[in-house]
Amino acid sequence: DQQVKQNSPSLSVQEGRISILNCDYTNSMFDYFLWYKKYPAEGPTFLISISSIKDKNEDGRFTVFLNKSAKHLSLHIVPSQPGDSAVYFCAARGSQGNLIFGKGTKLSVKP
Amino acid sequence: GAGVSQSPSNKVTEKGKDVELRCDPISGHTALYWYRQRLGQGLEFLIYFQGNSAPDKSGLPSDRFSAERTGESVSTLTIQRTQQEDSAVYLCASSLGLGGNQPQHFGDGTRLSIL
Repeated sequence: DQQVKQNSPSLSVQEGRISILNCDYTNSMFDYFLWYKKYPAEGPTFLISISSIKDKNEDGRFTVFLNKSAKHLSLHIVPSQPGDSAVYFCAARGSQGNLIFGKGTKLSVKP
Repeated sequence: GAGVSQSPSNKVTEKGKDVELRCDPISGHTALYWYRQRLGQGLEFLIYFQGNSAPDKSGLPSDRFSAERTGESVSTLTIQRTQQEDSAVYLCASSLGLGGNQPQHFGDGTRLSIL
């Protein structure tokens, strides 16, 4: 049973518009969430994280929102750029410190 | 570079052979993790090392899998008597440790193909 779910396997967005990637989780004990970006044949690259004591964290074009009551987080990228095209993974930190990943959303930003 | 380094980048081997995968974490990172990603799936946790503590092996899928770490440096993941279902990308990550919220930084992985 998946504890972290990314229900959209793919998303296509026009350059300059906002990309919104969504993630749901089932375990209310998760206290730290991360987003990673992955290009083919490369390892995941850390993008941004959020602690459960916050509901928003911003870093440049990237903002992560956390809704604890809904067990939902989202990553907003604005403005989207063609170089943002990649697979985005949502992750939650497990009790042993390991990360529990969703299956990823493939983002395509069209010029 | 100063990132996590994994070798080999690709490994093709016959079913039944043993394989050894290597990970060099970022210098100073006390925590080291192994994950694998099967085709079309998310990353699956395998094993975790923190400093000199006993490793957390709870994610290892079978007793054919084992891992070692020398101090706070290099780690090797060994798969004995490989099976076709072991085919995956094996990813290593390191972080500064459990204190605070520390992101994990990943290597580029070893793509393992079992024929």
